[in-house]
Amino acid sequence: GAGVSQSPRYKVAKRGQDVALRCDPISGHVSLFWYQQALGQGPEFLTYFQNEAQLDKSGLPSDRFFAERPEGSVSTLKIQRTQQEDSAVYLCASSLSGVNEQYFGPGTRLTVT
Amino acid sequence: AQSVAQPEDQVNVAEGNPLTVKCTYSVSGNPYLFWYVQYPNRGLQFLLKYITGDNLVKGSYGFEAEFNKSQTSFHLKKPSALVSDSALYFCAVRDARGTYKYIFGTGTRLKVLA
Repeated sequence: GAGVSQSPRYKVAKRGQDVALRCDPISGHVSLFWYQQALGQGPEFLTYFQNEAQLDKSGLPSDRFFAERPEGSVSTLKIQRTQQEDSAVYLCASSLSGVNEQYFGPGTRLTVT
Repeated sequence: AQSVAQPEDQVNVAEGNPLTVKCTYSVSGNPYLFWYVQYPNRGLQFLLKYITGDNLVKGSYGFEAEFNKSQTSFHLKKPSALVSDSALYFCAVRDARGTYKYIFGTGTRLKVLA
């Protein structure tokens, strides 16, 4: 069956531009997570959705980062006024619940120049 | 505060030998513990988890891990390593109480030598 998909796979943005990263989770998965993975590091938690409710956004690094999941399926991570330190791979994962194993997408590699 | 440590950046083991990849954690409540594997050019894949119950958990591809509460550890093991096990392994923890935030370790690169 279809797994988690993310688009675009690669994004180059000039510093100061806004970007939007999309995640299509596995159908029926209630839980959705966003992570940021810097080179050589493990994924770092950004935010968590249960259906359309954003229950935890404690990992968002600044108010330039915003995530939504309006209908409880597709999610978008938006970064406003991108900075060089935002360059990373952004991973999306979905799961049946908050304690089940997560299924990860391939990630979006964001490069800010 | 939650944390997880993978003390070894890289582990080398000969094919056919047993392997261990170490993970220790810190949470204030009970832990939910996971291992994930990342193969080159592929996404993270789930291997196994401990939520509650038996301390020894078995997972995909012959891997197992033992939850040790007194040592706050969750080491990944396999009795006989394969060259195809060579990959990057991540341990992750979540406090069972009051948060949905998962903390991942920095990863351990496993290299199985033929």
